[in-house]
Amino acid sequence: NAGVTQTPKFQVLKTGQSMTLQCAQDMNHEYMSWYRQDPGMGLRLIHYSVGAGITDQGEVPNGYNVSRSTTEDFPLRLLSAAPSQTSVYFCASTSGGSGQETQYFGPGTRLLVL
Amino acid sequence: AQKVTQAQTEISVVEKEDVTLDCVYETRDTTYYLFWYKQPPSGELVFLIRRNSFDEQNEISGRYSWNFQKSTSSFNFTITASQVVDSAVYFCALSEGSQGGSEKLVFGKGTKLTVNP
Repeated sequence: NAGVTQTPKFQVLKTGQSMTLQCAQDMNHEYMSWYRQDPGMGLRLIHYSVGAGITDQGEVPNGYNVSRSTTEDFPLRLLSAAPSQTSVYFCASTSGGSGQETQYFGPGTRLLVL
Repeated sequence: AQKVTQAQTEISVVEKEDVTLDCVYETRDTTYYLFWYKQPPSGELVFLIRRNSFDEQNEISGRYSWNFQKSTSSFNFTITASQVVDSAVYFCALSEGSQGGSEKLVFGKGTKLTVNP
């Protein structure tokens, strides 16, 4: 199993550009999430999904869109990038929603918005 | 609302010293889960341990041990005989069982541990 994969590893955008961060998992996990990590801030939840066709907002959803058309994929879209979105983005998946399941994280995407 | 506090921003020790990383959490839920993750300089997040709110037994795994105390809402992590390879940022995290929550972790801000040779 590849686990959780993310592409690209690194991206530079200009303010106002759009892009999609890709996330895929091959563990047949129902639950997937996106986090951003900023220096000194830990990881903060952007959006999450409890299954195909179901998404919800986390702590910091503004400026980001998500969709979940398949169990495997959970892309994160930036419609109009801003410098405040410069961050490292982590995608994660887990097998259940009771709270006790372990989240598995992808390797991260480092995004720089100029 | 739930919250995780890691008051130690950075810790520096010399190899073979023991070091304890503190984690204090807040939650209104009676069922919750606590996690520790390690983030080495390479950047990936590595799962270390999960503990549920009904199990206050301490846990030991090799040089790592965890002390869970509900009375003080703490879940501290101790590394015994630290090694240079332990240098990393360590995150404590919380999920709430009654709300579902494996997909909604709340993280502390992390503690950067540097182990010097």
